[in-house]
Amino acid sequence: SQQGEEDPQALSIQEGENATMNCSYKTSINNLQWYRQNSGRGLVHLILIRSNEREKHSGRLRVTLDTSKKSSSLLITASRAADTASYFCATHAGGTSYGKLTFGQGTILTVHP
Amino acid sequence: DGGITQSPKYLFRKEGQNVTLSCEQNLNHDAMYWYRQDPGQGLRLIYYSQIVNDFQKGDIAEGYSVSREKKESFPLTVTSAQKNPTAFYLCASSERDRGRTDTQYFGPGTRLTVL
Repeated sequence: SQQGEEDPQALSIQEGENATMNCSYKTSINNLQWYRQNSGRGLVHLILIRSNEREKHSGRLRVTLDTSKKSSSLLITASRAADTASYFCATHAGGTSYGKLTFGQGTILTVHP
Repeated sequence: DGGITQSPKYLFRKEGQNVTLSCEQNLNHDAMYWYRQDPGQGLRLIYYSQIVNDFQKGDIAEGYSVSREKKESFPLTVTSAQKNPTAFYLCASSERDRGRTDTQYFGPGTRLTVL
């Protein structure tokens, strides 16, 4: 079953604008990760945030985590046409679920030049 | 050049045939995974293996089988029992690290079409 639900399902913006994607999940987590997928390709890991962290930055990426609301957001600042891709959140439950990630449905981001 | 390779990139199968998808990694990772992705959907876990000669069913294992005889290799067989096998199949691997981050590294995928 899919733990993560992402919102919006699709997002279309102009180059230079910021893009925000949200992810909600249902059960407690050890960490939450964001991945990017270009059309027809494999996924690439972007950033990981642990359950005891609230915010993390990596270049133009900013991730927040609110464990009380069981939600996370990914912000891409100053977007570029090359950021066009699908973005997935994935949760790691910890405990005995070693290695298992549960992926959301994804947000399709289109950045127009 | 380290990474994960999957072959073939495209695979066509007739109904009733078994097919095997290859996944090889040279990252020295202990854990490997197989996912299925349908159009416009997220990834669903088929099987995963934390160590050689051991593997566990994921959420949608019916109609699939795997083996893990070598650390580098985790082939997936799509059997004739899988009723709707047309999909994009992704293999991934991760370290078994103390930090329990379980960041996964993905191959380029195999697109399977049943004719």
